[in-house]
Amino acid sequence: DAGITQSPRYKITETGRQVTLMCHQTWSHSYMFWYRQDLGHGLRLIYYSAAADITDKGEVPDGYVVSRSKTENFPLTLESATRSQTSVYFCASTTSGVGDTQYFGPGTRLTVL
Amino acid sequence: GDSVTQMEGPVTLSEEAFLTINCTYTATGYPSLFWYVQYPGEGLQLLLKATKADDKGSNKGFEATYRKETTSFHLEKGSVQVSDSAVYFCALTQNSGNTPLVFGKGTRLSVIA
Repeated sequence: DAGITQSPRYKITETGRQVTLMCHQTWSHSYMFWYRQDLGHGLRLIYYSAAADITDKGEVPDGYVVSRSKTENFPLTLESATRSQTSVYFCASTTSGVGDTQYFGPGTRLTVL
Repeated sequence: GDSVTQMEGPVTLSEEAFLTINCTYTATGYPSLFWYVQYPGEGLQLLLKATKADDKGSNKGFEATYRKETTSFHLEKGSVQVSDSAVYFCALTQNSGNTPLVFGKGTRLSVIA
């Protein structure tokens, strides 16, 4: 299916475990982003990528790792999950055009016990 | 750095009421401005955008005008419907390269019949 997908949609894990959230887009967009959404904070940028093998930190990168070996995939890894990382995570992508729309995935709801 | 401030919610309106959600921004230069909408259980989707001063974005009966003199991008709709119940996010991005979106904290709108 065309578009941007995230998996899993829901995940429950325990403190200290490693978790990887997947993001896949079929448009060959250059830019991809990871955000987390928390009550009272809106959306905050975790990491973003301008192209394969190019990544940059956002506002709240601590505790997260990303990679982008292929244009269409942008996985987000929590190396050792903490309760404060309980959140809804959104992936987004866009072309390299100035002011272009970002397209969002459906989100992954992560609960860390 | 750049920032977006939008009115606190939640906002509750009766069907057919007039809607205004205020959004002001702080940014250098001439950013592009966006309104995104998030329906329950879904990711964000673009509602409308404006890329330069005095532009008016419009979609689905919603409108917003890019006012550089007041650094504002208020969202309006003349007659809301129950189906408009959602969370609305104001956002900006700089036009110099494809920089990440900066979001406001969101405003939850509930429309009752």
